[in-house]
Order: sequence, then C-alpha cells, then structure tokens
Amino acid sequence: GDSVTQMEGPVTLSEEAFLTINCTYTATGYPSLFWYVQYPGEGLQLLLKATKADDKGSNKGFEATYRKETTSFHLEKGSVQVSDSAVYFCALFAAGTGNQFYFGTGTSLTVIP
Amino acid sequence: NAGVTQTPKFQVLKTGQSMTLQCAQDMNHNSMYWYRQDPGMGLRLIYYSASEGTTDKGEVPNGYNVSRLNKREFSLRLESAAPSQTSVYFCASSESQNTEAFFGQGTRLTVV
Repeated sequence: GDSVTQMEGPVTLSEEAFLTINCTYTATGYPSLFWYVQYPGEGLQLLLKATKADDKGSNKGFEATYRKETTSFHLEKGSVQVSDSAVYFCALFAAGTGNQFYFGTGTSLTVIP
Repeated sequence: NAGVTQTPKFQVLKTGQSMTLQCAQDMNHNSMYWYRQDPGMGLRLIYYSASEGTTDKGEVPNGYNVSRLNKREFSLRLESAAPSQTSVYFCASSESQNTEAFFGQGTRLTVV
C-alpha cells in the first residue's frame, strides 16, 4: 500500500544552519506530495507541495523537489531561524487508493540561537 | 475566514463515557477526514468522507463512528471511551484529489 517514510528526529540545529529532512514514499499511482508544519499546540499547516515529477515546491525559504526516480521529496532550507522550530510532516495523496492522505511520523526540529 | 473548526479543544472523559467531536468547514470542500495523532506514530486516519453522504474506514476505525451530517459537518463519536483513545484528534478537509488538506486546531482528549 501507499506509505511515507521520513527521517526520524529530533533534529537540533543552530540558527543559520542548513536543513535537510529526508522523505521517501511508496505509491502505486502518481501521488501528489506535501510538506506540512505543526507549531506547538496548533494544527498542521501546508508548507509546500508538488503534484508531478520534477516539480519543485517552495515557501518561506523551504524547498522540496519531487523525484520520481528515487521516490523522494526531501525538505531543505538554506538558513534556518529559531521561528522554524516545529514538527514537519511529509505526506502524499494518491487518487484511486481511497482518496486519502498518508503522513509520515513527523520530524521535530529545534533551532537554537 | 474560519477554515476548519473543531470543538471542543480539550476534553477529559472517564472510561466508558461517550462523546462526539464536532467538525465544520466553510470552504465548500467535498472531502473530510478524522485523524488521531500519537507520539511517535504521526497521524493515523480514523475515518474519511470523500463526499457528502459517504463515509469509509481508515487505518484505525475501531471504537469510533462518524456522521457526515451535510457538506459542512463531519462528526466523530466515541461510544464507550477507553484509555487507548487518549490522543489529539484532528479534523481536515480538502476540495478534491491532489489538493491540500486543511486542518483544524485539534481536540486533546484524555480518557481516565
């Protein structure tokens, strides 16, 4: 079945460091891929998305490229800030498999000044 | 713009009690979902409704029932709460396939 595997955390970085959070997926169809962010005490918010192979999603300095050949959608940011501290979830949606989203387990990021 | 609204935000139940979690969206979305979030488990789908009038089981449906009351509202009911149902519950909605899901703020439920 469809699934998402993402890098386990927690991840702790210093401010202005480079961030990579790995995400790989398994899907029978052609999924859309998403990164969501969850700040403490809040619901999930969409960070970025990509709907087909080679698409790059970007938002607030974060980027992820849909790589069909490696079934990956790694999240990157060149210079993290303290305000980026949150939990990040990779997710996929594949039509025809129940029209539902599949989420990874989440990666907690803490950025220290 | 309210988006997805869940009530209540917090709830404590005794084992065996029942309750209904309410969810409403004002974005005219077709699909709605209920997830639970547990430490180290990520989000797991309980039930979803692809369109008004339809509901389907997700990954962890046991102990729950749902009602898609109309296009806006999708409720989750616990008939006889158990400590294993202590979790944070999120409702979400999406317009259709390949579009992002929008989440409510969550309900933190504790069953003692």
